[in-house]
Amino acid sequence: AQSVTQPDIHITVSEGASLELRCNYSYGATPYLFWYVQSPGQGLQLLLKYFSGDTLVQGIKGFEAEFKRSQSSFNLRKPSVHWSDAAEYFCAAAGGNEKLTFGTGTRLTIIP
Amino acid sequence: EPEVTQTPSHQVTQMGQEVILRCVPISNHLYFYWYRQILGQKVEFLVSFYNNEISEKSEIFDDQFSVERPDGSNFTLKIRSTKLEDSAMYFCASSLQGARSNQPQHFGDGTRLSIL
Repeated sequence: AQSVTQPDIHITVSEGASLELRCNYSYGATPYLFWYVQSPGQGLQLLLKYFSGDTLVQGIKGFEAEFKRSQSSFNLRKPSVHWSDAAEYFCAAAGGNEKLTFGTGTRLTIIP
Repeated sequence: EPEVTQTPSHQVTQMGQEVILRCVPISNHLYFYWYRQILGQKVEFLVSFYNNEISEKSEIFDDQFSVERPDGSNFTLKIRSTKLEDSAMYFCASSLQGARSNQPQHFGDGTRLSIL
């Protein structure tokens, strides 16, 4: 079955520190991959997407993600987090049908 | 930047009542979706809609649910007889060319549905 796994439910980092959020997928073929961010009470905003080609993709707000086929992973990174990055982050995948399959999300807390 | 808009932001309904959630997708998009997120759980796909018909639906999307594009701009989700377990945040999304293309889905801010 198609699935997306985010192993970390909650991560806390200091402002200015680097960040990596993990995402693994299980699909028959390489799916399209996405990261969305959800601030409290808000909708889902697309951070970045991977369809093919360069395995390192750049997104908005200084985020990037690296696709690693050998590890079935699509981890999200940011070199230096800001307090405004505190939110819930969702990895999602699409492959072979119309639906997006989401991971369970990682809640990011930033401490001063 | 164009965006998906959803109304109302919060809907409170008595159990057993019908509810209609409304969405205005991005104007040139052709594929439309509904997802839901029960509090504390993951976002789940409900249904996709293209060319005035359902293209795919999940097992959650049973006979109590229906979708409609009544005019050129609105996309609605109707729950015929609401149950307590329908309480969730409902997200509408739209896409220019569908999930199989390289066009992502753009989401609205959601409607929080509370069933009493």
